[in-house]
Amino acid sequence: QQQVKQSPQSLIVQKGGISIINCAYENTAFDYFPWYQQFPGKGPALLIAIRPDVSEKKEGRFTISFNKSAKQFSLHIMDSQPGDSATYFCAAILETSGSRLTFGEGTQLTVNP
Amino acid sequence: DGGITQSPKYLFRKEGQNVTLSCEQNLNHDAMYWYRQDPGQGLRLIYYSQIVNDFQKGDIAEGYSVSREKKESFPLTVTSAQKNPTAFYLCASAIPTSYNEQFFGPGTRLTVL
Repeated sequence: QQQVKQSPQSLIVQKGGISIINCAYENTAFDYFPWYQQFPGKGPALLIAIRPDVSEKKEGRFTISFNKSAKQFSLHIMDSQPGDSATYFCAAILETSGSRLTFGEGTQLTVNP
Repeated sequence: DGGITQSPKYLFRKEGQNVTLSCEQNLNHDAMYWYRQDPGQGLRLIYYSQIVNDFQKGDIAEGYSVSREKKESFPLTVTSAQKNPTAFYLCASAIPTSYNEQFFGPGTRLTVL
């Protein structure tokens, strides 16, 4: 049972453009939504995260938008750079569950120079 | 340097053989996890451990086994019962008060011939 659905599966953006990755979740009890960035051959690393009591969080060029009523959240990468080319995973966790992150399927982002 | 070490980076085994993947961390984290990554499927939780000498099954535990005899170590054995063992395996750790942020190792790519 896939509780977090992510789209698109792949995304190609020109340098300087905006990359947008979307996720939808089913379990309304989730209370923390992180995004991970993974470069080829490496493990994922936490990029940015948000809690459902906030509608938007921005860190540099990366912004999470959160829509609690629609059970959706998205990652926006402004002024996309070739160095942003990586696989991005959204995730969700119920903090009281102790540790079980549920991941989306991943989006492979390519930023062309 | 603090971090998570996984060895080896690449591993080849013949079908029907058990194989053990190593995961060591010097972050003093109590919680440790094993994930399996396949193209287009995101990260799926195999096993996790919140404390020494205790571990729980994740979503795809069949054909795998773990042990947690030391805080620093959480080895994963891929047994011959695992029907499709070829994959990229990721180990992660987290402190109990912040399960949200899981720190990942560099991964082991297992190929069963």
